[in-house]
Amino acid sequence: DAKTTQPNSMESNEEEPVHLPCNHSTISGTDYIHWYRQLPSQGPEYVIHGLTSNVNNRMASLAIAEDRKSSTLILHRATLRDAAVYYCILRDTNAGKSTFGDGTTLTVKP
Amino acid sequence: GAGVSQSPRYKVAKRGQDVALRCDPISGHVSLFWYQQALGQGPEFLTYFQNEAQLDKSGLPSDRFFAERPEGSVSTLKIQRTQQEDSAVYLCASSSPRNEQFFGPGTRLTVL
Repeated sequence: DAKTTQPNSMESNEEEPVHLPCNHSTISGTDYIHWYRQLPSQGPEYVIHGLTSNVNNRMASLAIAEDRKSSTLILHRATLRDAAVYYCILRDTNAGKSTFGDGTTLTVKP
Repeated sequence: GAGVSQSPRYKVAKRGQDVALRCDPISGHVSLFWYQQALGQGPEFLTYFQNEAQLDKSGLPSDRFFAERPEGSVSTLKIQRTQQEDSAVYLCASSSPRNEQFFGPGTRLTVL
């Protein structure tokens, strides 16, 4: 499985933008980049995904490097409710298995 | 609409007991996944179904673990002769046609 690398933890101030990085240097051409987040005592929640182009939705933006070997999840204005573990994973078009890793723990300070 | 539901939410078992964990996926979702999540770690893949077919069970840690989805909707993860190392949160997810996974709240299993 293609592997992703994320920092263990990051901090942000409330109402400031947050950029969460992810490296995936062994990505293949059919891998989509997915982001999930997990709040305490809950199952992971889908955030966003993309293949090559940058993507925006109501939750976040996803910026994908031109060579696709890295990506950045952007939360435009962090709130206290955004404090969670954020996972970057690669999923093939015909995906079955996903490899999650340990993610980035985001702390948001008021 | 309803999301993925799992039952029970919490299960305490004595070592050696068998347990069965249920997952109700989102209606119409073809793909269903089971994950195991230990405290402080990310989810670890266990197995994957497409309709009733179990296409990948490479993540099941031992032959004590068995999963089924006989009619292509509800799935059950069964653990026989539970051991303390089986204590974890067991997560179920179903996948939309866009390949987004929707997770249930999980079942927290504690083996004493």
